[in-house]
Amino acid sequence: NAGVTQTPKFQVLKTGQSMTLQCAQDMNHEYMSWYRQDPGMGLRLIHYSVGAGITDQGEVPNGYNVSRSTTEDFPLRLLSAAPSQTSVYFCATQPDRRDSPLHFGNGTRLTVT
Amino acid sequence: TQLLEQSPQFLSIQEGENLTVYCNSSSVFSSLQWYRQEPGEGPVLLVTVVTGGEVKKLKRLTFQFGDARKDSSLHITAAQPGDTGLYLCAGGRGYQKVTFGTGTKLQVIP
Repeated sequence: NAGVTQTPKFQVLKTGQSMTLQCAQDMNHEYMSWYRQDPGMGLRLIHYSVGAGITDQGEVPNGYNVSRSTTEDFPLRLLSAAPSQTSVYFCATQPDRRDSPLHFGNGTRLTVT
Repeated sequence: TQLLEQSPQFLSIQEGENLTVYCNSSSVFSSLQWYRQEPGEGPVLLVTVVTGGEVKKLKRLTFQFGDARKDSSLHITAAQPGDTGLYLCAGGRGYQKVTFGTGTKLQVIP
């Protein structure tokens, strides 16, 4: 049982390039989300989805795009990378149950030069 | 806007010592979760507390939810090197509304 799988694990981009961070889950959880983690800031919510075809913005959505065509996949797109987007990105899933825990992938470390 | 403040931000202690990590907010949460994160991995849930004043124990770890459901603490007794990691509190407001704290990085020296 893989849980939440994120690819790639590491990525280096030049300013202005675009890329997609992949997230796949096999737990049939309806709720999926993307967080970025920066030193001293904890985890900040970028975008989330409560089910296939439904997405919404989190706390720091600018510069990122998401879509949710299936329950299993929730890719995060960087439209035009900026150095401020250098961070570690985590995808998480959550069962549709009140106050349920988040299940995280192992992250993608992104550096934008 | 950071709704959950953790203290201390860093903690380096000797094996066998006790420690307490605090998680404070001006907002009320329906639940409070604690996660531990190790380098190169995602956070992993330790515990969820949902009732004001609730205390939960997980071996040497004791978690408490404040009476007003705005704050929480994590106490570790006789810390061991295996406790080293980043501890994150997270406040929930029912369904899928989770706000994370700023994190406490713990190092336990053998």
